[in-house]
Amino acid sequence: DSGVTQTPKHLITATGQRVTLRCSPRSGDLSVYWYQQSLDQGLQFLIQYYNGEERAKGNILERFSAQQFPDLHSELNLSSLELGDSALYFCASSVVISYYEQYFGPGTRLTVT
Amino acid sequence: DAKTTQPPSMDCAEGRAANLPCNHSTISGNEYVYWYRQIHSQGPQYIIHGLKNNETNEMASLIITEDRKSSTLILPHATLRDTAVYYCIVRATNTGNQFYFGTGTSLTVIP
Repeated sequence: DSGVTQTPKHLITATGQRVTLRCSPRSGDLSVYWYQQSLDQGLQFLIQYYNGEERAKGNILERFSAQQFPDLHSELNLSSLELGDSALYFCASSVVISYYEQYFGPGTRLTVT
Repeated sequence: DAKTTQPPSMDCAEGRAANLPCNHSTISGNEYVYWYRQIHSQGPQYIIHGLKNNETNEMASLIITEDRKSSTLILPHATLRDTAVYYCIVRATNTGNQFYFGTGTSLTVIP
């Protein structure tokens, strides 16, 4: 158990819908990262927050957005969902930016039908 | 960040050492080598990292060549639970932030 929690574990929704994935980092970790893992793209970095502020963006679509709240939990919002958005979404946290160890949560498996 | 090249798959007998190679010939002087692994759709797990000296922890050893263009992750006594995809990543600390995971090596430990 990494100490990072993600909810829900599974999510099935239809194309065009909007969903919110939630992540609670390890106690004391200020930095949160979101990754997407699909069969054809592998593990892709999406976005990073540090202490409530966005710090880095990766291959995140404009239909996706995220935020980190004052209590440090984070949410990833996915809208206008397409079949290709079906993937595992991982949240990771670390104590500070660029720390060598990121702790990954168990992931949320999103299926878009 | 420098790119890495790893064999797509490897087998190892249970109880033997697993040696996973990684090529990072374009690595820069300020880039570290990191290893993570992912066990069947679980979140990736940190294993070890290093800059230029060999490193060892309770999970594995990391051997980095003197020119730093390649490295080897060694699992000294592989168990069935070590079956996973192993990712070799290079990252500069001053760019901080995210890891760029490649395709990794799928290690199968055979009983």
